[in-house]
Amino acid sequence: GAGVSQSPSNKVTEKGKDVELRCDPISGHTALYWYRQSLGQGLEFLIYFQGNSAPDKSGLPSDRFSAERTGGSVSTLTIQRTQQEDSAVYLCASSLVDDILAKNIQYFGAGTRLSVL
Amino acid sequence: SQQGEEDPQALSIQEGENATMNCSYKTSINNLQWYRQNSGRGLVHLILIRSNEREKHSGRLRVTLDTSKKSSSLLITASRAADTASYFCATDGIQGAQKLVFGQGTRLTINP
Repeated sequence: GAGVSQSPSNKVTEKGKDVELRCDPISGHTALYWYRQSLGQGLEFLIYFQGNSAPDKSGLPSDRFSAERTGGSVSTLTIQRTQQEDSAVYLCASSLVDDILAKNIQYFGAGTRLSVL
Repeated sequence: SQQGEEDPQALSIQEGENATMNCSYKTSINNLQWYRQNSGRGLVHLILIRSNEREKHSGRLRVTLDTSKKSSSLLITASRAADTASYFCATDGIQGAQKLVFGQGTRLTINP
């Protein structure tokens, strides 16, 4: 089946504008994750959804960042009043968490490269 | 904060040689995974090793886990130019598998 799809693949915006990033997870995957990756760096966890609820929002860097998930499927990450330091690749992943075997293999989208000018 | 720390940060070897990357972590885990990333885009899962396993193989990949030292290694044998990528370890905590914590990655370059 189809993998994780993210849109847009690239986004250039001006400082102060709002942006919305979209993630379509693999069908049937209950868990969805957002990460941020700056150039040459590792992944910074932002937020995690189980179904439509977000048990862990601990990684959101400021109140300018928010995310929602509807219908247990598509998720949008919104960044308000973007700043230059928000420039990064935003990666989405989904998984079918196996609580019995305690396995969480994540499947990633190709990411959205955000550039804030 | 990042739990995993990869070592080395960058590795450059000749095609055909073996590549070894190491990962250290801080807290108890259920599983440790290795992922690969090409060109700064999406990550691809390579292999998962459970905390009660010591070694696992998949094709040219060999992963070891030493829970007493809180460390893991990824060995790629007979490297190919196509193995050029960044490699990340990821751990989940004993409280549950809901969240993975990724290391900073090792940038591997295979020279033809």
